[in-house]
Amino acid sequence: KQEVTQIPAALSVPEGENLVLNCSFTDSAIYNLQWFRQDPGKGLTSLLLIQSSQREQTSGRLNASLDKSSGRSTLYIAASQPGDSATYLCAVRSNDYKLSFGAGTTVTVRA
Amino acid sequence: DARVTQTPRHKVTEMGQEVTMRCQPILGHNTVFWYRQTMMQGLELLAYFRNRAPLDDSGMPKDRFSAEMPDATLATLKIQPSEPRDSAVYFCASGLEGVAKNIQYFGAGTRLSVL
Repeated sequence: KQEVTQIPAALSVPEGENLVLNCSFTDSAIYNLQWFRQDPGKGLTSLLLIQSSQREQTSGRLNASLDKSSGRSTLYIAASQPGDSATYLCAVRSNDYKLSFGAGTTVTVRA
Repeated sequence: DARVTQTPRHKVTEMGQEVTMRCQPILGHNTVFWYRQTMMQGLELLAYFRNRAPLDDSGMPKDRFSAEMPDATLATLKIQPSEPRDSAVYFCASGLEGVAKNIQYFGAGTRLSVL
């Protein structure tokens, strides 16, 4: 069974600081890895998806890396803003449909 | 603005009552997922449909939960009878298999409280 762990569970930073969120998974046989954002009382929004053959993906201020052999992914958010405050979830796809989610990292960006 | 629509957004009910949650997937999507989110367990997959056929319901308590897709525009998740431990947020997601990497698009969820 795929186990996904996210560290830290919570993070508070001043505005402008770069954010580093970590995700680790136990089974390296994955299809892809996805980072989601969840706002309080809302659903999940997909931020980035990295295929198993890729090393990283970038979208605006967001960059996600993937090291499949070591079972790790890192989400970088540059120049954080108060609007980045949310819970960030990492999800690993181990077959053609099943996602295994981490517990998330709750980020607070202080103005 | 295509989105997954879930109703109701909130539901408070008493133990033993039947609960029905509904989901309208994005038009044209052929996969539907039901998830449950709790503080203790995080997000868990309950059921997976492809082209309206249930392919995986291994995460669902079989004795009280049931999931169906009466047609391509409606998915339902029923709990009968409901119990306090069913209190959680239930999310529906839809996707298009084989296109756009089968990204799952999530609804806003149904927050269920069973008293």
